[in-house]
Amino acid sequence: NAGVTQTPKFRILKIGQSMTLQCTQDMNHNYMYWYRQDPGMGLKLIYYSVGAGITDKGEVPNGYNVSRSTTEDFPLRLELAAPSQTSVYFCASGTSRETQYFGPGTRLLVL
Amino acid sequence: GENVEQHPSTLSVQEGDSAVIKCTYSDSASNYFPWYKQELGKRPQLIIDIRSNVGEKKDQRIAVTLNKTAKHFSLHITETQPEDSAVYFCAAANTGTASKLTFGTGTRLQVTL
Repeated sequence: NAGVTQTPKFRILKIGQSMTLQCTQDMNHNYMYWYRQDPGMGLKLIYYSVGAGITDKGEVPNGYNVSRSTTEDFPLRLELAAPSQTSVYFCASGTSRETQYFGPGTRLLVL
Repeated sequence: GENVEQHPSTLSVQEGDSAVIKCTYSDSASNYFPWYKQELGKRPQLIIDIRSNVGEKKDQRIAVTLNKTAKHFSLHITETQPEDSAVYFCAAANTGTASKLTFGTGTRLQVTL
């Protein structure tokens, strides 16, 4: 199993541009999560999903959107990128409400 | 909702010494408490977890203790080694009602030679 994969690894965006961060897991996990981690800081939950077709907001959802059309994929959409969205984005998945397995992260720089 | 506080924010120990990181939580219904280790530039990885029906759990040099009455739990690392240097995050969840973890703010552990 590849586990949780994320693409791209690194991206530079201009202010106002949009992009989609991809997250895929091959472990048949129902639970999937998106976090952001600012430099030297902790993890903040953006959105999460408990199964295909079901998504819910975390603590910092503004400026982001998600969809969950399949069990495997949980893309994160950034609309109108702002410098405040410069961060490292981690996707995670799990079989239950407990253990979460993290992807390698996407480093995003908005200039 | 749940709130998790973590202390200290930074910790420096000499190789071979023990390190202790403490977390407190606010929701008495929380029943699952994992610890994650994040090395520089890497993803967080689960290193140990404990459930509310257990007071202590050990795995080689690491152990976690839970005090439900006081609503705090701690990570203990014995015989620290340079490869233990990382940021450690605690988390808490009520797995009966919540589908997400609430993370602490992290502790940067530096093991010096």
